[in-house]
Amino acid sequence: GAGVSQSPRYKVTKRGQDVALRCDPISGHVSLYWYRQALGQGPEFLTYFNYEAQQDKSGLPNDRFSAERPEGSISTLTIQRTEQRDSAMYRCASSLEAGPSYEQYFGPGTRLTVT
Amino acid sequence: AQTVTQSQPEMSVQEAETVTLSCTYDTSESNYYLFWYKQPPSRQMILVIRQEAYKQQNATENRFSVNFQKAAKSFSLKISDSQLGDTAMYFCAFMKHGLGGSEKLVFGKGTKLTVNP
Repeated sequence: GAGVSQSPRYKVTKRGQDVALRCDPISGHVSLYWYRQALGQGPEFLTYFNYEAQQDKSGLPNDRFSAERPEGSISTLTIQRTEQRDSAMYRCASSLEAGPSYEQYFGPGTRLTVT
Repeated sequence: AQTVTQSQPEMSVQEAETVTLSCTYDTSESNYYLFWYKQPPSRQMILVIRQEAYKQQNATENRFSVNFQKAAKSFSLKISDSQLGDTAMYFCAFMKHGLGGSEKLVFGKGTKLTVNP
C-alpha cells in the first residue's frame, strides 16, 4: 500500500506570503503528526491529531502556524505571513493509533524556502 | 521537558566493523519509550529499533542492538557488520507514555555515520 505522501515536495515563497502544506496519511491511520526539521537538526514536534481532533499543538511556534484535519484523513499545515526563519523541511507522519507501541511512518517531507 | 543529547556529530567506520552511537536523555518520567531512526541521503525517516523503558532486556533487530542503561539515562545503538547502506544520519528519540502523555517524539540532533569501503 501507499505510504504517507506530502505535497508539494518543494515550495519556494516570498516573505509575507501564506503557504499550505498537505499531508495524506496511510489509509486507516488514526493519528497524524507534523514535525519541522531544520538543516542539520533533528525533527521538532509541531502538532498532532487523533481523527479530526487536534490533541496537542504545543509545538506550533506562534499563531502564524495552524493545522487542520477536518475529515480525519488529509491534513493541512498553514503558515501565514511567512518569514525567512520558517525555512525548513516539514514532515508529516501517521500511525495506526496514538502511542509509542505504534510506529510513526514518515512522509518524504516538504522543503520550504522563504526568500 | 524531556531532552535528548547525541554528543557525536559525526562518526565513521570501516565496512564489516562494529560501531556504537551514543545517546543520553533527561526525563523525570518513569514510563517511556526510546527509539533510533535512520535518515539516509534520500532524507526518508526509517525506524531502526525501539526500546520500552520498563523492559530490562535490550532490544535487538538483526545487526542493530541497543545498550539501555536506565539509571544512567543512556541509550546507545550498536551496529554490527557495518554495511555501506548504513551510511546515514541516526537520530535518537524519546516518547513519554501513559495517561495524559503526549504522543510526540523528542529527537536529538543526530549523528552522521559514514561507512567506508
